[in-house]
Amino acid sequence: GENVEQHPSTLSVQEGDSAVIKCTYSDSASNYFPWYKQELGKGPQLIIDIRSNVGEKKDQRIAVTLNKTAKHFSLHITETQPEDSAVYFCAASMGANFGNEKLTFGTGTRLTIIP
Amino acid sequence: SQTIHQWPATLVQPVGSPLSLECTVEGTSNPNLYWYRQAAGRGLQLLFYSVGIGQISSEVPQNLSASRPQDRQFILSSKKLLLSDSGFYLCAWSGHNSPLHFGNGTRLTVT
Repeated sequence: GENVEQHPSTLSVQEGDSAVIKCTYSDSASNYFPWYKQELGKGPQLIIDIRSNVGEKKDQRIAVTLNKTAKHFSLHITETQPEDSAVYFCAASMGANFGNEKLTFGTGTRLTIIP
Repeated sequence: SQTIHQWPATLVQPVGSPLSLECTVEGTSNPNLYWYRQAAGRGLQLLFYSVGIGQISSEVPQNLSASRPQDRQFILSSKKLLLSDSGFYLCAWSGHNSPLHFGNGTRLTVT
């Protein structure tokens, strides 16, 4: 089955700087790669996702890049703010639509923004 | 819009007691439903998923079971809790045009 590795496990960044979290996946058939943000005591929230027919996607200060050849994808957060502090999870799955996909998650990155 | 409700938010139960966690989804029909568990400081482990009423798939054999008595209701149960059942339990749903969305979870402590 699919295996997703995520690095680093913890990351501290000065406020205003950029943060990058990287994930690799094992199954070349995977075609959907979401990122979730989990704040303390809450469930993970989807913040951005990408499909394998796209190399990069941006949403304001957040971007995700995908390298299918190397089987890795990354989350980039620019101009970090204190509210970006959370645990971030990457995931991968294969399937034609959302409804039938079972996500394999990475182990999470605890991001701390230093004021 | 779709919403997912999960309760209770926290629960403390003694070893050997039964468990029932409930999850309901509003604003969509025939969702796929999921139960995940998150151990302290760990990742997300898929326990059960369901593609329809009465259809349950178990990902990891353990002391838990799941049921889907109605289209938008998903229940996680145990007859006798173990200490190792402690954790953060998350219900989630997805649909044909909707990615996976999580509830706010139940923190279960087995004492």
